[in-house]
Amino acid sequence: EPEVTQTPSHQVTQMGQEVILRCVPISNHLYFYWYRQILGQKVEFLVSFYNNEISEKSEIFDDQFSVERPDGSNFTLKIRSTKLEDSAMYFCASSVRGGAEQYFGPGTRLTVT
Amino acid sequence: QKEVEQNSGPLSVPEGAIASLNCTYSDRGSQSFFWYRQYSGKSPELIMFIYSNGDKEDGRFTAQLNKASQYVSLLIRDSQPSDSATYLCAVNIPQAGTALIFGKGTTLSVSS
Repeated sequence: EPEVTQTPSHQVTQMGQEVILRCVPISNHLYFYWYRQILGQKVEFLVSFYNNEISEKSEIFDDQFSVERPDGSNFTLKIRSTKLEDSAMYFCASSVRGGAEQYFGPGTRLTVT
Repeated sequence: QKEVEQNSGPLSVPEGAIASLNCTYSDRGSQSFFWYRQYSGKSPELIMFIYSNGDKEDGRFTAQLNKASQYVSLLIRDSQPSDSATYLCAVNIPQAGTALIFGKGTTLSVSS
């Protein structure tokens, strides 16, 4: 069964450093998402991406964040200058169409020290 | 205001019982409703989705939607210890485009 994959599973970085989180969505899916979950809190939407552009973003997704689909399979989230409060699990998700069920990857645990 | 509300629990049921999990949402225009299961330290796993009023059954799981009351529920029949997890209600709200808005989740504990 097709799955969303994410790398790395755990990333440790120092405050102020740039990180890139990578995702491979399910191959026939057209909508891609990033969510985050701070420890003990709810899953929060960051950004959605369709047809090679951002379709929606939340207030969390400020100028420090960017997304890219550099090739036909990868979908990346870049955080330019990490802060301590960026420490969280970051989940990539994809769906075949907007409003349809979204399938989540295993997540990347980002720890900012 | 975009909100999805769930009781945090824990909800404790004995093995073999029916577990009932509830969720309310604030946006009357919401169209799509999802239940995810999340084990500790893991990612959300989709277990049910429902788009129309009424019941939808899949194995031991039944999702119930009442748009007039802005209420969606998940019933788990013949609960097993492996069902012990946090259950997340997620709603697609038109104002948020295709994004899912999640509740905080209800922790279910099934004792053997």
